[in-house]
Amino acid sequence: QFVLTQPPSLSGAPGQRVTISCTGGSSNIGAGYGVHWYQHIPGSAPKLLLFTDTNRPSGVPDRFSGSKSGTSVSLAITGLQTEDEATYFCQSYDINLSGSVFGGGTKLTVL
Amino acid sequence: QVRLKTSGAGQVKPAGTLSLTCTVSGASITMNSWWTWVRQPPERGLEWIGEVSRDGNTNYNPSLKTRVTMSLDKSKSQFSLKLTSVTAADTAVYFCAGVTEANWLEPWGQGTLVTVSS
Repeated sequence: QFVLTQPPSLSGAPGQRVTISCTGGSSNIGAGYGVHWYQHIPGSAPKLLLFTDTNRPSGVPDRFSGSKSGTSVSLAITGLQTEDEATYFCQSYDINLSGSVFGGGTKLTVL
Repeated sequence: QVRLKTSGAGQVKPAGTLSLTCTVSGASITMNSWWTWVRQPPERGLEWIGEVSRDGNTNYNPSLKTRVTMSLDKSKSQFSLKLTSVTAADTAVYFCAGVTEANWLEPWGQGTLVTVSS
């Protein structure tokens, strides 16, 4: 059980657009805490993709974008590329835990 | 470029103590107010273990609080994790990371697999 809920897997063809959702509750996203997205390829360090819902660090392509609605946030990837195949997870702060909470991760397969 | 490198035993016996150290290079360890440990059991998602401040204050996950100790040594640019009374359920890839003011995690270490096994 994860405090933040993500679909476990998703797939898309090169060039397509996919969206990964992350749903929380009143003690995290609903309390106004930002959601951050990471890309993780096993064996390497997770890479920050978006911070505070919609912001891209320098160096992250604009194919990656974020949106927020209520207690849900989404990561959209347009123009899918084979190099995008990875696990994506969301993270926020939870006032009940007084620490970080994570989504279970979404494994993206580029067909 | 800031780098985090984890060191420590990759295998720990049941009931033993897991000890890991994360060394910060490329910048001062005081660049972040807080540093954190996160773990990922096999085929599962990430779990927050806790965090240590540059002044040595700590916050722990309540589910692990009785077994966790974190510390930070500015002189060595290192912060550490100790987890006592380990069981197979503690087998995981352990990551160290910096915590920004708005709570996103950056930078991250590569992660190190710790297996609890006799």
